[in-house]
Amino acid sequence: DAMVIQNPRYQVTQFGKPVTLSCSQTLNHNVMYWYQQKSSQAPKLLFHYYDKDFNNEADTPDNFQSRRPNTSFCFLDIRSPGLGDAAMYLCATSRDRGQKPQHFGDGTRLSIL
Amino acid sequence: AQTVTQSQPEMSVQEAETVTLSCTYDTSESDYYLFWYKQPPSRQMILVIRQEAYKQQNATENRFSVNFQKAAKSFSLKISDSQLGDAAMYFCAYRSEEQDDKIIFGKGTRLHILP
Repeated sequence: DAMVIQNPRYQVTQFGKPVTLSCSQTLNHNVMYWYQQKSSQAPKLLFHYYDKDFNNEADTPDNFQSRRPNTSFCFLDIRSPGLGDAAMYLCATSRDRGQKPQHFGDGTRLSIL
Repeated sequence: AQTVTQSQPEMSVQEAETVTLSCTYDTSESDYYLFWYKQPPSRQMILVIRQEAYKQQNATENRFSVNFQKAAKSFSLKISDSQLGDAAMYFCAYRSEEQDDKIIFGKGTRLHILP
């Protein structure tokens, strides 16, 4: 059974048109992460939530926002997508910080027209 | 700032043979965690093995083992008896215990298994 669920698997949007990617988890984990992974590159952390505390990476563009309305759900909002934002977006969860491993979803592949 | 380096973009190994993927990292911290993740084509990333920096003993998970050299800041992954299902991108990752739980991935090594 999937424990970290990302919807949709594939998302197409137009240049400049806002888009929201969703992630849900059945693990009741405290920490949720969003990564951007471009082709043949390592995942790049955008931000993460430790419970309700939001932690933004210094080099994450302002174009990217996130919401975590409850423990189970976390959203990635891209306000005005550019062509360079086309990528795979990975959601991950972790029971806690430190040694606890991350559990990844299948990812959402975002294409920009 | 911490960095993770995987110097081998691609590797190939014959089925049933052993292969070692290298990873080095740079940090000034004493407490941290190291992970190897596997990402098969078009499939989700899964944890292969993890190592706590304070433990001297190398972690082992079935056919997967690590050679952790803390002083040298080296964390290589050894896959024994390679199987076709091992073909994937392998990412080495560093997780800080001190700096707001920052996680850094290496660029990955694509492993091909030759039948």
